[in-house]
Amino acid sequence: AQSVTQLGSHVSVSEGALVLLRCNYSSSVPPYLFWYVQYPNQGLQLLLKYTSAATLVKGINGFEAEFKKSETSFHLTKPSAHMSDAAEYFCAVSERASGLTFGKGTHLIIQP
Amino acid sequence: KAGVTQTPRYLIKTRGQQVTLSCSPISGHRSVSWYQQTPGQGLQFLFEYFSETQRNKGNFPGRFSGRQFSNSRSEMNVSTLELGDSALYLCASSLAAGGHNEQFFGPGTRLTVL
Repeated sequence: AQSVTQLGSHVSVSEGALVLLRCNYSSSVPPYLFWYVQYPNQGLQLLLKYTSAATLVKGINGFEAEFKKSETSFHLTKPSAHMSDAAEYFCAVSERASGLTFGKGTHLIIQP
Repeated sequence: KAGVTQTPRYLIKTRGQQVTLSCSPISGHRSVSWYQQTPGQGLQFLFEYFSETQRNKGNFPGRFSGRQFSNSRSEMNVSTLELGDSALYLCASSLAAGGHNEQFFGPGTRLTVL
């Protein structure tokens, strides 16, 4: 069975600082991994997706994530935080024929 | 191209009633998935429909059901509502079946059960 663990339900960074959101997964087969962002009262928007083509995945809004099989991790980073990045971030895993399994989410707070 | 639309956006029901939520996918998308989002359990997969057939199902009781029409629009139904069914119900569409495909989410229907 697949599962996702997101370390830190809340992460606070200063504007302009590095953003690092952690995600570890468990999967019995090579996984598909995703990061989604959710703004208040909205649905989820895909930030980026790993499909085994490359271990470093670049997404929208300056975000990127690195797949590390040995660590079963898929951490999300952004070099410089912007106030507009404040939102809830979800890591998700899928085995080809299943629906998405989400982590509990990390609320990103940007301090001015 | 219009995004995924869900109706209604907000709904208030009482225990024991049933409810039907609707989802219209992005034009050309044939797969529709449903998710429940609650503060306690987070985001959980309900089921996926593709070409009017249920392809995958999450771990929810039989009170939760769905269907898909020939135009790919989907409905989900919850019967005999319980207080714990209060949640944001999200619909997502994709071109093909399977969670590995990019899914586009709608804004959700917020269901409150009193």
